[in-house]
Amino acid sequence: TQLLEQSPQFLSIQEGENLTVYCNSSSVFSSLQWYRQEPGEGPVLLVTVVTGGEVKKLKRLTFQFGDARKDSSLHITAAQPGDTGLYLCAGDLPNNNDMRFGAGTRLTVKP
Amino acid sequence: EPEVTQTPSHQVTQMGQEVILRCVPISNHLYFYWYRQILGQKVEFLVSFYNNEISEKSEIFDDQFSVERPDGSNFTLKIRSTKLEDSAMYFCASTLGTGGKLFFGSGTQLSVL
Repeated sequence: TQLLEQSPQFLSIQEGENLTVYCNSSSVFSSLQWYRQEPGEGPVLLVTVVTGGEVKKLKRLTFQFGDARKDSSLHITAAQPGDTGLYLCAGDLPNNNDMRFGAGTRLTVKP
Repeated sequence: EPEVTQTPSHQVTQMGQEVILRCVPISNHLYFYWYRQILGQKVEFLVSFYNNEISEKSEIFDDQFSVERPDGSNFTLKIRSTKLEDSAMYFCASTLGTGGKLFFGSGTQLSVL
């Protein structure tokens, strides 16, 4: 079993559509981060959420941290082909010194 | 923006050989990490390093793996006797503090033949 479950695993949509991807766990995290990874490159941080219930916006991307700090969602409004990539969530466990990643959601936005 | 650099970008080796993957973390960062990603699969945590010692390691990081910070700038991952299943992209990352922004290098693609 994975510490962080991401869903869906794959998502293919048309340009202009909205989408939501999820990151769920039974563990509580000190913080949770969302990354985007392009093929052949390392993950790049998009956002960090720390407080339960927190909502952060990054242009067309809205990130929410669950009240219990066990889950998170990423909502993209009016998706564009440039949003195509692998979206990873990573959690920072309390009293621990590592970041554990989910398996990612591979998003394809077709023009 | 400062960046984490990794060398080499590609490494091909024979099974059973030793490899050393090199990383130069961001200069004022204090926490260092190695992750790996097998093609098409998830990013897997290997090890974290702080204050010149390993602070956490995963079940993947067995006694074939070791890390070192030999001087003030480099952070290396050694695989003593490579196996076919060690073939993956290996990412180094660093951060100023736990829970902070994790900066990743662009990875070393290791191919074990």
